[in-house]
Amino acid sequence: GNSVTQMEGPVTLSEEAFLTINCTYTATGYPSLFWYVQYPGEGLQLLLKATKADDKGSNKGFEATYRKETTSFHLEKGSVQVSDSAVYFCAPYSGGSNYKLTFGKGTLLTVNP
Amino acid sequence: DVKVTQSSRYLVKRTGEKVFLECVQDMDHENMFWYRQDPGLGLRLIYFSYDVKMKEKGDIPEGYSVSREKKERFSLILESASTNQTSMYLCASSWADTQYFGPGTRLTVL
Repeated sequence: GNSVTQMEGPVTLSEEAFLTINCTYTATGYPSLFWYVQYPGEGLQLLLKATKADDKGSNKGFEATYRKETTSFHLEKGSVQVSDSAVYFCAPYSGGSNYKLTFGKGTLLTVNP
Repeated sequence: DVKVTQSSRYLVKRTGEKVFLECVQDMDHENMFWYRQDPGLGLRLIYFSYDVKMKEKGDIPEGYSVSREKKERFSLILESASTNQTSMYLCASSWADTQYFGPGTRLTVL
C-alpha cells in the first residue's frame, strides 16, 4: 500500500517568512498527490493537488510540485500569514474505485505576528 | 458548497456504553469514510462505504462497526465504548479523488 513521510512538526515561523513542509511518499503506479489543511477546530479541506509528474498545484499562495524522480511533493509558501496557522497533511492516491487516501501524520504550523 | 455534518461536536460517554456517531452529506456522494485522529498518529481509516449497505474495513476497524442504510448517512457505532476510543472522529465523503470532511466529533470515554 501507499505510505507518506512528512516533516515532523511543530513548525513555528514569523509572519512573512518562507515556508517549506517536506513530503515524500511510496505508492503503486503513478499516484495523484494532495495537500489537505486543517484549521483549528475544523475538519480537513483540500488545499491543492497535482495529478502527474512535474505538475504544480497551487492555491492561496501555496505551491507544491510533483517530483516523480524523488517521490516528493513539498509544500511551499513565499510569505506566510498568521491565518495560515493550521495542520497540513500530505496524501498520495493511487487510483481505484473507492478513492481511499493515505494521509501523512500531519505537520502543525504556527505563524506568529 | 459541499456540506458534511456530524451529529455532535463534543460527546462524553461512559465505559461500556453503546455510542452512535452520525454523519450526513448533501452531495449525493457514493463514498463515505470514518477516520479517527490522534496526536502523533495522524488520521487513521476505520471504515469506509462505497454504496448503500456496502462497507469495507479500514486500517483500524476493531471495536467499531458502521451502518449505511441511506446514501447520505453513514453511522459509526462503538458497541461497547472503552477509554482507548477517546479521540477525534472525522467523517468524509468523496467525489472522484477529493474528500470533503465534516468538522469532527471529539469523543471522551470516561
